[in-house]
Amino acid sequence: DAKTTQPNSMESNEEEPVHLPCNHSTISGTDYIHWYRQLPSQGPEYVIHGLTSNVNNRMASLAIAEDRKSSTLILHRATLRDAAVYYCILRDNYQLIWGAGTKLIIKP
Amino acid sequence: NAGVTQTPKFQVLKTGQSMTLQCAQDMNHNSMYWYRQDPGMGLRLIYYSASEGTTDKGEVPNGYNVSRLNKREFSLRLESAAPSQTSVYFCASSEAGGLSQYFGPGTRLTVT
Repeated sequence: DAKTTQPNSMESNEEEPVHLPCNHSTISGTDYIHWYRQLPSQGPEYVIHGLTSNVNNRMASLAIAEDRKSSTLILHRATLRDAAVYYCILRDNYQLIWGAGTKLIIKP
Repeated sequence: NAGVTQTPKFQVLKTGQSMTLQCAQDMNHNSMYWYRQDPGMGLRLIYYSASEGTTDKGEVPNGYNVSRLNKREFSLRLESAAPSQTSVYFCASSEAGGLSQYFGPGTRLTVT
């Protein structure tokens, strides 16, 4: 199964953009790249997903490298409510392969 | 809409006891999932149901059984609980294909 690699933690200042990196060098051509986040003591929350092209939605943007071996989740203006663990996940048919994620710390 | 609901929120079992975790969704989703999350780890898929009437094993199915009761409900049963099954259990649902899964609030299970 293709896996992802993310930094254990990152810090950012409030109201600044945040770039969360993810490496997935063994990704296959049909794997979708998903991002979820998990706030403390809550279930995960879907953020965004993409296959080849960059994607935008109301929560974030997803930038996918041309060779698809890495991607970056971009939060355009982080708030304290964005403090969470962010998971970069590849989808294998119905199964999402979860890693340990990146803990994002937002400093006021 | 309530989204995905799970009962109970908390449960303590003794080794060898059995219990069923309940999950329901009101989004008319075809697919449903059961995950477990151990401290400091990502989620691991136990079982999933791609559509009503079907169930399939995920990454860690041993010690669990599931029932897709109807389109709305998907239950997870522990027949003989073990301390290694102490974890937080999440149910999720999605439209067919596994994209954009919506998660419930979780059940915190402790087996002593």
